[in-house]
Amino acid sequence: DAKTTQPPSMDCAEGRAANLPCNHSTISGNEYVYWYRQIHSQGPQYIIHGLKNNETNEMASLIITEDRKSSTLILPHATLRDTAVYYCIVRSSYGKLTFGQGTILTVHP
Amino acid sequence: EAGVTQFPSHSVIEKGQTVTLRCDPISGHDNLYWYRRVMGKEIKFLLHFVKESKQDESGMPNNRFLAERTGGTYSTLKVQPAELEDSGVYFCASSPDRDWYGYTFGSGTRLTVV
Repeated sequence: DAKTTQPPSMDCAEGRAANLPCNHSTISGNEYVYWYRQIHSQGPQYIIHGLKNNETNEMASLIITEDRKSSTLILPHATLRDTAVYYCIVRSSYGKLTFGQGTILTVHP
Repeated sequence: EAGVTQFPSHSVIEKGQTVTLRCDPISGHDNLYWYRRVMGKEIKFLLHFVKESKQDESGMPNNRFLAERTGGTYSTLKVQPAELEDSGVYFCASSPDRDWYGYTFGSGTRLTVV
């Protein structure tokens, strides 16, 4: 699976949009981009995934560039409870997730 | 529906002892995964079951680790004998189809070997 690069940390004000970038320049055609997050010591939580089209669900939006070499996870109205480590993962259909260091997002009042 | 359940939530054992972790996946989920995070490291894949069969066990660190999934339902991960470096949090996840998008993770078992 392709590797991903994320900033180690980001800050966001409560109520504002949080935009978390991810680079995956070696992604191949059949690989999906997944986002998970881990709040404190809980298990990772699935957020969203996409192949090449932009996606939106009740939690977030995922914007994937046309060349698929990077993506952005958008939390439209961040709350304090969104403070977590966010993982961008590129995955083939095989099933295994390869976690990196992720981005520590801190939402402050 | 009930989520993925793991127990115990915490376990403290002495070096050389045996510990068995259990994971109950969401009912009907054929795929079951084990991951772990050891101190200061990233979350790492251990193995993947499809029903009762091991699909991929490439992440198992050594032969002190034994995973089973009886009848394709719950799974156990046994560490025997435990070493200090085995300390960490062990996560289990399940999904109904390996191509389905969202795995559901359990809350993990925090293992401390002293």
